[in-house]
Amino acid sequence: EIVLTQSPGTLSLSPGERATLSCRASQSVSSSYLAWYQQKPGQAPRLLIYGASSRATGIPDRFSGSGSGTDFTLTISRLEPEDFTVYYCQQYGSSLWTFGQGTKVEIK
Amino acid sequence: QLQLQESGPGLVKPSETLSLTCTVSGGSIGSSSSYWGWIRQPPGKGLEWIGTIYYSGSTYYNPSLRSRLTISVDTSKNQFSLKLNSVAAADTAVYFCARHSRPYFYYLDVWGKGTTVTVSS
Repeated sequence: EIVLTQSPGTLSLSPGERATLSCRASQSVSSSYLAWYQQKPGQAPRLLIYGASSRATGIPDRFSGSGSGTDFTLTISRLEPEDFTVYYCQQYGSSLWTFGQGTKVEIK
Repeated sequence: QLQLQESGPGLVKPSETLSLTCTVSGGSIGSSSSYWGWIRQPPGKGLEWIGTIYYSGSTYYNPSLRSRLTISVDTSKNQFSLKLNSVAAADTAVYFCARHSRPYFYYLDVWGKGTTVTVSS
């Protein structure tokens, strides 16, 4: 089973700053199988990025994804107030789906 | 617009069976060869994939839950269901149902709002 480790656990930034979130896999993951989600308090997760770098429908272009193999990154170019929340990476492999433990982006 | 809604008891006693149903509206559960999943989130913690079912009935389970888990689908009712037996306090969580993306089922693109299940006597 592939384990995803997200870092940092918490990222303290100010509105307008750039956020860089990391997701590292315990073994190589096909880029096609890697996604990122945003979850706001009391809500279901929302698909942000799929295929490591493709934005889901309706997702602003300040969100971008990159990476390959075992290292993937979610970048938020300029943080808006509504972006301060929790983000999860997720992968598929061998008929199993796993999530990272999450990164919280908080206001500094 | 596709919508998913979880339903079931909010309180389950330890050692009993947790049963939840996800009702799909705005689309057919069997359309475009869809996959449907269950995910849970313990209080203050991250997301855990529970299991997934193909519209035809094939299932995929989290190995850590496999021995206690059954997921089924009822296409006539446009529903799929989860049964988790021998529950304990560690099974307390918000349970989400979701649709896997199409044509590639690697992600979850439509989610229900979630339902809170507490395991307590």
